[in-house]
Amino acid sequence: GAVVSQHPSRVICKSGTSVKIECRSLDFQATTMFWYRQFPKKSLMLMATSNEGSKATYEQGVEKDKFLINHASLTLSTLTVTSAHPEDSSFYICSARVRGGTGELFFGEGSRLTVL
Amino acid sequence: SQQGEEDPQALSIQEGENATMNCSYKTSINNLQWYRQNSGRGLVHLILIRSNEREKHSGRLRVTLDTSKKSSSLLITASRAADTASYFCATYGDKIIFGKGTRLHILP
Repeated sequence: GAVVSQHPSRVICKSGTSVKIECRSLDFQATTMFWYRQFPKKSLMLMATSNEGSKATYEQGVEKDKFLINHASLTLSTLTVTSAHPEDSSFYICSARVRGGTGELFFGEGSRLTVL
Repeated sequence: SQQGEEDPQALSIQEGENATMNCSYKTSINNLQWYRQNSGRGLVHLILIRSNEREKHSGRLRVTLDTSKKSSSLLITASRAADTASYFCATYGDKIIFGKGTRLHILP
């Protein structure tokens, strides 16, 4: 199956710093990638839809200036948490959809962000 | 807002028994998908059922879809300890939205 690589898997940072998380589709082209946030024992909350070559579409309530998403190529999308605060601590997961596929999502392993 | 709503939220059964999880959703869909998540990991796609299908099998998995009731069920037969995980349904319309999930625990 298609493989999505997400990096880093864990990151600890100080309040006020910015953190970048990368999501790569390794063996397929992903015109669309999705970024989710997950709280402990909760479901995945869709944050934004990232389209290659265009601006991301953010869900209601998600601050676009806080969570910067860039989809620079057909295989890479990045999420930057700017000026991180402890309440941004969470599990962030990216997923990608195969171009021309059935709609099945392939997920990265997630990135656990801890803001001190 | 969440589209899917899984039921039950948590389920504990003995190894070897069958596990059934249900999912209800609110709007029209193109397809419905079930995913599995081990603790602290990403999600793994299990099975996809299209809106014009009523039942689908994959190994020990059986999925049903009732579009009139806007509901789906996932049956795992002959459960194993390794099936312990959270299971999510996801509906695919304009975007893919996940339900709250069912935490399944298989007792040895």
